[in-house]
Amino acid sequence: ETGVTQTPRHLVMGMTNKKSLKCEQHLGHNAMYWYKQSAKKPLELMFVYNFKEQTENNSVPSRFSPECPNSSHLFLHLHTLQPEDSALYLCASSQRGNTIYFGEGSWLTVV
Amino acid sequence: EDQVTQSPEALRLQEGESSSLNCSYTVSGLRGLFWYRQDPGKGPEFLFTLYSAGEEKEKERLKATLTKKESFLHITAPKPEDSATYLCAVQAPNTGNQFYFGTGTSLTVIP
Repeated sequence: ETGVTQTPRHLVMGMTNKKSLKCEQHLGHNAMYWYKQSAKKPLELMFVYNFKEQTENNSVPSRFSPECPNSSHLFLHLHTLQPEDSALYLCASSQRGNTIYFGEGSWLTVV
Repeated sequence: EDQVTQSPEALRLQEGESSSLNCSYTVSGLRGLFWYRQDPGKGPEFLFTLYSAGEEKEKERLKATLTKKESFLHITAPKPEDSATYLCAVQAPNTGNQFYFGTGTSLTVIP
């Protein structure tokens, strides 16, 4: 059971496809995050939203496009991805500046 | 430069064999240090937050401690269900929502 829900849990997409990852948090937090987790690497922060406003974008390629319609929902739109983008994508939330809580992740495979 | 270094990379213990995991960090003016547990195929699960040197937190067989340069996660009499990857993260001052993660320690407890 988690306060942060991610869908889908698994996604396989071709390099020309367009897909989206969805995240919803039920914790009443005001900040939401996307992280990328690859084998043998530290978690990489991709995007941060505070009160629906994007506050950080860590040089992420434009083929990843975030959307935060409200403080409870976060999307990651994917298009023309590369095989090296295959990874576990983690959504997280926090009350700004405090402990972050993660969802179960979305496993993405680009073929 | 590396902000957070975890060691060892992997650890195998016999059930009941106590040990410690290390997390060393280079940020100054630490705002918080966080420990997470991650099971295969799942998102990280929050364990502890430590804020100042000398602080200790406990949960079942786990105890986290903090000094000015490193943190230890002590595991007392581990059980096979403690097998997981343990992640450490630090939050530097004036960075808002920026958390720096280590690459984790993969713990296997053998019955």
